[in-house]
Amino acid sequence: QVQLQESGPGLVKPSETLSLTCTVSGGSITNYYWSWIRQPPGRGLEWIGYIYYSGSTNYNPSLKSRVSISVDTSKNLFSLKLSSVTAADTAVYYCARPMYRGTYGDFDIWGQGTMVTVSS
Amino acid sequence: QSVLTQPPSVSGAPGQRVSISCTGSSSNIGAGHDVHWYQQLPGTAPKLLIYVNSNRPSGVPDRFSGSKSGTSASLAISGLQAEDEADYYCQSYDSSLSGVVFGGGTKLTVL
Repeated sequence: QVQLQESGPGLVKPSETLSLTCTVSGGSITNYYWSWIRQPPGRGLEWIGYIYYSGSTNYNPSLKSRVSISVDTSKNLFSLKLSSVTAADTAVYYCARPMYRGTYGDFDIWGQGTMVTVSS
Repeated sequence: QSVLTQPPSVSGAPGQRVSISCTGSSSNIGAGHDVHWYQQLPGTAPKLLIYVNSNRPSGVPDRFSGSKSGTSASLAISGLQAEDEADYYCQSYDSSLSGVVFGGGTKLTVL
């Protein structure tokens, strides 16, 4: 079955750019919207944005000026970049896929999550 | 402040029934967008519990049920078990924000 695995640095300095990759295994990246979601310690879930396999994107308005999501269909992965990070960006970052092709939500497949700490 | 409003906590004794509300507005739930529910156990990724308002993925017990009416949705858990103690989140889509939105989450305590 399809599995997702986040990877990237666990520590990022303030003002720098956070970069994470989500590798999709067991299935194709095509025909789905792929999302990034984060969860600060002890707090709730926040949707960051999604990318369609074709490359079209949609971002959370509160993060839009700092976020970029890209896809590499040849490698079956998609990536997140979040610029000018502060301590408020410290969170567990998840990648997720909806249950059905063409839908944005109903995330039935999640990565295990990766903790990113913003600190000097 | 989350676009979808959930009670911070609910509790119930084993065997009882509890309900968790998710209140939205005319730009999300009230606009007809579907509501999905997730269960998150400590230290783990969220798990899809209910999709498209009232459907259970394979493997989710029928003790869990979802409903939607107007600008709100609700998750009901009957026959509470100790293993149900977790955080629960509702999720939908918001037309004004043009994006996915989550509720703030509800911590369920089994007494």
